[in-house]
Amino acid sequence: EAQVTQNPRYLITVTGKKLTVTCSQNMNHEYMSWYRQDPGLGLRQIYYSMNVEVTDKGDVPEGYKVSRKEKRNFPLILESPSPNQTSLYFCASSPLAGRATGDTQYFGPGTRLTVL
Amino acid sequence: AQKITQTQPGMFVQEKEAVTLDCTYDTSDPSYGLFWYKQPSSGEMIFLIYQGSYDQQNATEGRYSLNFQKARKSANLVISASQLGDSAMYFCAMRDLRGGFKTIFGAGTRLFVKA
Repeated sequence: EAQVTQNPRYLITVTGKKLTVTCSQNMNHEYMSWYRQDPGLGLRQIYYSMNVEVTDKGDVPEGYKVSRKEKRNFPLILESPSPNQTSLYFCASSPLAGRATGDTQYFGPGTRLTVL
Repeated sequence: AQKITQTQPGMFVQEKEAVTLDCTYDTSDPSYGLFWYKQPSSGEMIFLIYQGSYDQQNATEGRYSLNFQKARKSANLVISASQLGDSAMYFCAMRDLRGGFKTIFGAGTRLFVKA
């Protein structure tokens, strides 16, 4: 089954404790992205990657890191989480072959993060 | 700067009636894509419909249609014959198709379908 998986789905942590949210896709997509969703703000792009070893900042990259060492994986790293990073996080992927036609992104199930 | 605006935080519609969810956008890029997603209470993001900036005809997908008015920079979603299962959050999104594939979302509209 074609899918994007995220782990963990739920996480409660404390300020300053480094954490990683994993994201993996099995569709051989070149493009992957991370978003955070906050009430009244919709989804905001954190980082995206157009291929292995190629990453770019989205609109809200502060406090986050990413890496793309393999095509299928795109982990999101919070080196020192703070309460304002409490949010619902989505990973998404899409092919680039359809960039002229705008293939939709496939979203993971979301990770609900609470930073105390 | 690119921007997506959804001016209706919440809307009610009677079951079996049609409803229009508004979306306006702002961009200076000539090549872009517009998407609508549905997010039910379970939280997943479900793709509904896509419109490319160069598409001449309005997109349709089953009960969903996109009223694309390029000069007005609007991309309203029309849901015909609303069903109780349509109650959800709806997001309009725009994607740059020539540059870095950056995507921005609107704040969303919560739709309530009444029986």
